[in-house]
Amino acid sequence: GESVGLHLPTLSVQEGDNSIINCAYSNSASDYFIWYKQESGKGPQFIIDIRSNMDKRQGQRVTVLLNKTVKHLSLQIAATQPGDSAVYFCAERGGNNRLAFGKGNQVVVIP
Amino acid sequence: DTEVTQTPKHLVMGMTNKKSLKCEQHMGHRAMYWYKQKAKKPPELMFVYSYEKLSINESVPSRFSPECPNSSLLNLHLHALQPEDSALYLCASSQVLQGGTEAFFGQGTRLTVV
Repeated sequence: GESVGLHLPTLSVQEGDNSIINCAYSNSASDYFIWYKQESGKGPQFIIDIRSNMDKRQGQRVTVLLNKTVKHLSLQIAATQPGDSAVYFCAERGGNNRLAFGKGNQVVVIP
Repeated sequence: DTEVTQTPKHLVMGMTNKKSLKCEQHMGHRAMYWYKQKAKKPPELMFVYSYEKLSINESVPSRFSPECPNSSLLNLHLHALQPEDSALYLCASSQVLQGGTEAFFGQGTRLTVV
């Protein structure tokens, strides 16, 4: 079936640098996308979301970009901090509130 | 209050046991979810309730039985589980809005089947 996926399993980034995490999705019917952060032993934590009628949305140190033409989603984290070390998932919402997660991308911040 | 509370945090059960996982939220959300997450994998959707009615069952085995007794509570009844069912079980809730809205997750129940 259709699914959401990520390109890179692990991203190592120097503290203070910017991070970019990518996600490819295939369900063209999905109209809402979310980035979650999950730390070890915890549940996923909402970071930022974007609706399909937008191509960019900014939060505090985070930006999500949506390219519907190539079905691509990215998360940019500015000035990465040690507390940003976690697994990041993109998720898409389809019909009946079906929220499906992508494969996940481990971010490791090097002090 | 933006919290989804799951109990217990940890559960060890035998294959012949019956147990229940509980989830509670007081945000007025009318959609509630159960996910299963294995180590180093994304959460896998199991069930979705909308307005206290089951709207999605992702072909989950009948040894998992969900229940939504009211708009604040969601249970997952477990019976005759297998060791491969050991995982982190996550509950989430969200508003039911056209166009989507964020889902809030609990901290999960770490289940071990022995």
